Amino acid sequence: AQSVTQLGSHVSVSEGALVLLRCNYSSSVPPYLFWYVQYPNQGLQLLLKYTSAATLVKGINGFEAEFKKSETSFHLTKPSAHMSDAAEYFCAVSGPRATRNDKVIFGPGTSLSVIP
Amino acid sequence: DVKVTQSSRYLVKRTGEKVFLECVQDMDHENMFWYRQDPGLGLRLIYFSYDVKMKEKGDIPEGYSVSREKKERFSLILESASTNQTSMYLCASSFPGLGSYNEQFFGPGTRLTVL
Repeated sequence: AQSVTQLGSHVSVSEGALVLLRCNYSSSVPPYLFWYVQYPNQGLQLLLKYTSAATLVKGINGFEAEFKKSETSFHLTKPSAHMSDAAEYFCAVSGPRATRNDKVIFGPGTSLSVIP
Repeated sequence: DVKVTQSSRYLVKRTGEKVFLECVQDMDHENMFWYRQDPGLGLRLIYFSYDVKMKEKGDIPEGYSVSREKKERFSLILESASTNQTSMYLCASSFPGLGSYNEQFFGPGTRLTVL
């Protein structure tokens, strides 16, 4: 069965500092992986996705994530945090077949705070 | 752009009331989902539907039912609301098949309070 863990339910960084949000997954086959962002009182918005085309994936708002199969990780990074990055971030995993039975499993989320 | 809309952003109901949460998507997606989101628990799948009149239970279906009479609309029903159903409810849609990667598109959410 697939699962997702996110290390750290709350992460605080200073404005301009590196953002690193950790995600590890468990899957018997190479999965599809996603990072979603949720701003206060809004739904989830896709930041980026890994679909096996390239291990380093670039997303919106300057975020990127690297798929490391040997570490079963898909950590999210941004070189310089901005105040507007304060939000909840969810890592998610899906099976590779993209059929109706392949559900998306979401991690518990990491709340990012950016300190001025 | 895909648009997923939910009928209410905020809803307050009383214990025992029947509650309807509506979700509409405009991209002809086959799959639709209902999640609830609680602090520290992330998103938990309540029900999903992969076709009109088709539904499958998710991880926490107890106390909920769903209806999908039209492809674009997926309703979540709380037959008799209870205080432990106070939560944020998120609707999502996706289309299956190669090229979709199961990417889900979310509505803005409905924050339901049951008193």
